Amino acid sequence: NAGVTQTPKFQVLKTGQSMTLQCAQDMNHEYMSWYRQDPGMGLRLIHYSVGAGITDQGEVPNGYNVSRSTTEDFPLRLLSAAPSQTSVYFCASSYGKPGNIQYFGAGTRLSVL
Amino acid sequence: GIQVEQSPPDLILQEGANSTLRCNFSDSVNNLQWFHQNPWGQLINLFYIPSGTKQNGRLSATTVATERYSLLYISSSQTTDSGVYFCAVSQGAQKLVFGQGTRLTINP
Repeated sequence: NAGVTQTPKFQVLKTGQSMTLQCAQDMNHEYMSWYRQDPGMGLRLIHYSVGAGITDQGEVPNGYNVSRSTTEDFPLRLLSAAPSQTSVYFCASSYGKPGNIQYFGAGTRLSVL
Repeated sequence: GIQVEQSPPDLILQEGANSTLRCNFSDSVNNLQWFHQNPWGQLINLFYIPSGTKQNGRLSATTVATERYSLLYISSSQTTDSGVYFCAVSQGAQKLVFGQGTRLTINP
């Protein structure tokens, strides 16, 4: 059982480039979410999904796009990278509602130059 | 929205010491979780504890929902306990809100 798998682990982008952070889970969880973690600011919710075909915005959605075509996958797209998006990104999943036990991926460390 | 405050922000202890981490929240919640982020960045769920007390080895947690706080106890600390501890809460079917964490350093 792999749990929540994020790729890549590290990425360096130039300002204006686009990329997709991948997230996959094999636990058949309905709820999936993306967070960013910045020093001294804890984890902030970017986007989330309560099931295939359903997505919604979190606390800091600007500059990011998501889709949920399958239960397993929840990719996060950076449309035009900016230095302010330099951060560590975590994907999480849970059975049922967001308040249930969350399982996190290992994270993606992104630097935008 | 709901506010989550954790204290202390930083805690440095010697191996073998006990510690208590606190999480206060500004409104009633029906879900509360504690997480440990190890020095390599991995986030692990420690407890799902909307109310009451739970224990897992040297770790235990107590949530007093009516008074809007939760405590995480670590006994006989080990260097592997180092990292950042996060509290996260949610109301109803709402999204999890995280505190800013307590950074725990256990020195040998």
